[in-house]
Amino acid sequence: SAVISQKPSRDICQRGTSLTIQCQVDSQVTMMFWYRQQPGQSLTLIATANQGSEATYESGFVIDKFPISRPNLTFSTLTVSNMSPEDSSIYLCSVEGFSELAADNEQFFGPGTRLTVL
Amino acid sequence: GNSVTQMEGPVTLSEEAFLTINCTYTATGYPSLFWYVQYPGEGLQLLLKATKADDKGSNKGFEATYRKETTSFHLEKGSVQVSDSAVYFCALSDPPNDYKLSFGAGTTVTVRA
Repeated sequence: SAVISQKPSRDICQRGTSLTIQCQVDSQVTMMFWYRQQPGQSLTLIATANQGSEATYESGFVIDKFPISRPNLTFSTLTVSNMSPEDSSIYLCSVEGFSELAADNEQFFGPGTRLTVL
Repeated sequence: GNSVTQMEGPVTLSEEAFLTINCTYTATGYPSLFWYVQYPGEGLQLLLKATKADDKGSNKGFEATYRKETTSFHLEKGSVQVSDSAVYFCALSDPPNDYKLSFGAGTTVTVRA
């Protein structure tokens, strides 16, 4: 499995500000995803981060609110823009498609970023 | 679209009891099925998976069998331990059409000594 790190691990932010979360993988991966886990809830996919092109957003999520970058095959960022208390969640990146394990169809998750918006 | 329906919790058991968490799915194709586990204060980990009908995934004493006829992937463990206390998520993906994971609501399991 890959080693996936996220920064920051947690943050407390003021309403109206923005936070950029980084996801770093120790090997090249084909696919990277961003999920949100609201308090006491399951995981919801925000978007698929596409390398070299615009991310693919799920219904209910838009680029202006959650801009995503993926400059290469090992790194991605998610920005939570103009935050409100409703954005308080754990944000997780996941990866799939390692070179020799591409057929295994397994997603591995980062440790998550716990965001609290006041 | 694809979806997962998971048994609601919370579930509280005594040590060495039998655990089963029901999971059924709806999918347009031939999905891959997963169980993920989230231990207290930790990240999400893949527990087991099955990629085709009648496959059985197993890990750490947990088992789940991919039942296409009943569109189910129930998680079972014969004798739980306190360390199995966690939130369990059933999930599916539908490669190669759709690699993203669709998750169930999660089931909180507490095992008492």
